[in-house]
Amino acid sequence: DGGITQSPKYLFRKEGQNVTLSCEQNLNHDAMYWYRQDPGQGLRLIYYSQIVNDFQKGDIAEGYSVSREKKESFPLTVTSAQKNPTAFYLCASIGTASTKAFFGQGTRLTVV
Amino acid sequence: QKEVEQNSGPLSVPEGAIASLNCTYSDRVSQSFFWYRQYSGKSPELIMSIYSNGDKEDGRFTAQLNKASQYVSLLIRDSQPSDSATYLCAVNDYMEYGNKLVFGAGTILRVKS
Repeated sequence: DGGITQSPKYLFRKEGQNVTLSCEQNLNHDAMYWYRQDPGQGLRLIYYSQIVNDFQKGDIAEGYSVSREKKESFPLTVTSAQKNPTAFYLCASIGTASTKAFFGQGTRLTVV
Repeated sequence: QKEVEQNSGPLSVPEGAIASLNCTYSDRVSQSFFWYRQYSGKSPELIMSIYSNGDKEDGRFTAQLNKASQYVSLLIRDSQPSDSATYLCAVNDYMEYGNKLVFGAGTILRVKS
């Protein structure tokens, strides 16, 4: 089945630690996105990528980094510079000539 | 910064009633509009998309778009307890490097049996 897979589902980070969230899709979509959701709030865009080896900052990119070495993969690293990383992280993709976004199941990150 | 506004709710309706969810957006050039349903702790699920003025129906769901008023709504007929969720309105924003979705904060819907 085609879809978007995020892992892990739950992740715990210690203060000062970098962690990487995985996002893989087999939908052959060109565009991929990372959103952050805090309780009671909508989705805020962190980074997005339209093609391999290219990505752009979204509205809240500070403290995050990404790479797009393969079309299928768009990992997000939450660095120690992100002071309030506890949130629900969602990866999405959109196909060529489409505007409909499909989401992975999300990763819930907690700082311990 | 393009904005999408929704009433956070909660909107409470009895089972079998019509639930009406509303959304306004700031960018007049937006062309694509979406409604996502999100259950607690889960990822958003696309339930409706609409691109032109008027109504679009899919089963118990009807999306309504009025571009002149910059307003999009979602009607849920014969509401069921399983419809209880957060409904996110999203608007497409075309940018130099492609497009992205701008989301509202969502409206919590509670259907009481």
